[in-house]
Amino acid sequence: ETGVTQSPTHLIKTRGQQVTLRCSSQSGHNTVSWYQQALGQGPQFIFQYYREEENGRGNFPPRFSGLQFPNYSSELNVNALELDDSALYLCASSRQGAVTNYGYTFGSGTRLTVV
Amino acid sequence: GENVGLHLPTLSVQEGDNSIINCAYSNSASDYFIWYKQESGKGPQFIIDIRSNMDKRQGQRVTVLLNKTVKHLSLQIAATQPGDSAVYFCADPTGGGNKLTFGTGTQLKVEL
Repeated sequence: ETGVTQSPTHLIKTRGQQVTLRCSSQSGHNTVSWYQQALGQGPQFIFQYYREEENGRGNFPPRFSGLQFPNYSSELNVNALELDDSALYLCASSRQGAVTNYGYTFGSGTRLTVV
Repeated sequence: GENVGLHLPTLSVQEGDNSIINCAYSNSASDYFIWYKQESGKGPQFIIDIRSNMDKRQGQRVTVLLNKTVKHLSLQIAATQPGDSAVYFCADPTGGGNKLTFGTGTQLKVEL
């Protein structure tokens, strides 16, 4: 059973640019959630995808968008990057309805630096 | 504001001692809590969870205590080891479904 994989592991972008981060969900999982973790802070929920549609969103502007594909993998896109977007972006996969942690697995994240 | 929060940002303990990490929450309706461990360069890893119908749950070297009266939970790590050095978060699925709200976290440093 493979876990959650994210790519790339590190990325440096310039302010104003666009970025796409990728996540492959764990086998058997159909839901992907994205979190932003600023340095020294806890992860903050961005949004969740289920059945290729957004299924809940946190307090993030529309320039944060996502996709989920038929194989349940997902992308996070951020447009018009700002310096404050520098953070660790975490992807977590789960089975919809699995409210316990036993069905919730995090990837190691993508470290995004905006300069 | 956030539903969960941590009392201390950093905790230093001697190897072999017990560690206690605290967490407060504000939503009386919260009925399920999870503790995560996050090592440097990695994503959060599940440690232990507890439902509100319990006040204590034990795992391997870890115990979680829940006090619903004062909306407080704690993670106790017995015989702390260098490998326990990490940031610890409590989390609460306040958003329903599979969405988690995390606290700021406590950095645990184990001194040899």
